[in-house]
Amino acid sequence: AQRVTQPEKLLSVFKGAPVELKCNYSYSGSPELFWYVQYSRQRLQLLLRHISRESIKGFTADLNKGETSFHLKKPFAQEEDSAMYYCALGGTGKLIFGQGTTLQVKP
Amino acid sequence: DGGITQSPKYLFRKEGQNVTLSCEQNLNHDAMYWYRQDPGQGLRLIYYSQIVNDFQKGDIAEGYSVSREKKESFPLTVTSAQKNPTAFYLCASSPHIPRTGETEQYFGPGTRLTVT
Repeated sequence: AQRVTQPEKLLSVFKGAPVELKCNYSYSGSPELFWYVQYSRQRLQLLLRHISRESIKGFTADLNKGETSFHLKKPFAQEEDSAMYYCALGGTGKLIFGQGTTLQVKP
Repeated sequence: DGGITQSPKYLFRKEGQNVTLSCEQNLNHDAMYWYRQDPGQGLRLIYYSQIVNDFQKGDIAEGYSVSREKKESFPLTVTSAQKNPTAFYLCASSPHIPRTGETEQYFGPGTRLTVT
């Protein structure tokens, strides 16, 4: 069965600290992985996707097929990064979302 | 901030009443989706439509119904059969019909439904 797991409901760090939001997936086919972000009072929006291999707002994510992971990383967190982050799995005709992780960056 | 609109922003209903949530998009997207967002459960897919006059059940379709009579509109009806209808509902659309791959989904602002 296709599944996305984000083990942390809440991740709290201080400004300037490194951040890693974990995402593991279960899928037997060729996965397409995404990170979506929802800032306070804003719409859910795409942050990045693994096929583009780009860095957005300082965030990167590498698809590790051996570990079935797609962790989101940023070397130095900023207060404006505080938001809800969702990992999503595609390649099945629809997106499957994880439970979401709230990132709280403290000053 | 157009693209996808959902109305109303807040909706209150009495238990036992059906209620319809509106979703409209002017992006000329083929595919549209309805999700339910609950704390700690992420986004769960209710229904999706890849083309006009066709739609498929998602993971939690029971107690919901949809229609796709026009490309730009995908209304969701929450029926009295839905046991726990109070939630935040998100509509989304994507520009291509998903086959083996996915394209970006664009989300609306959401409707918060409260049933008492």
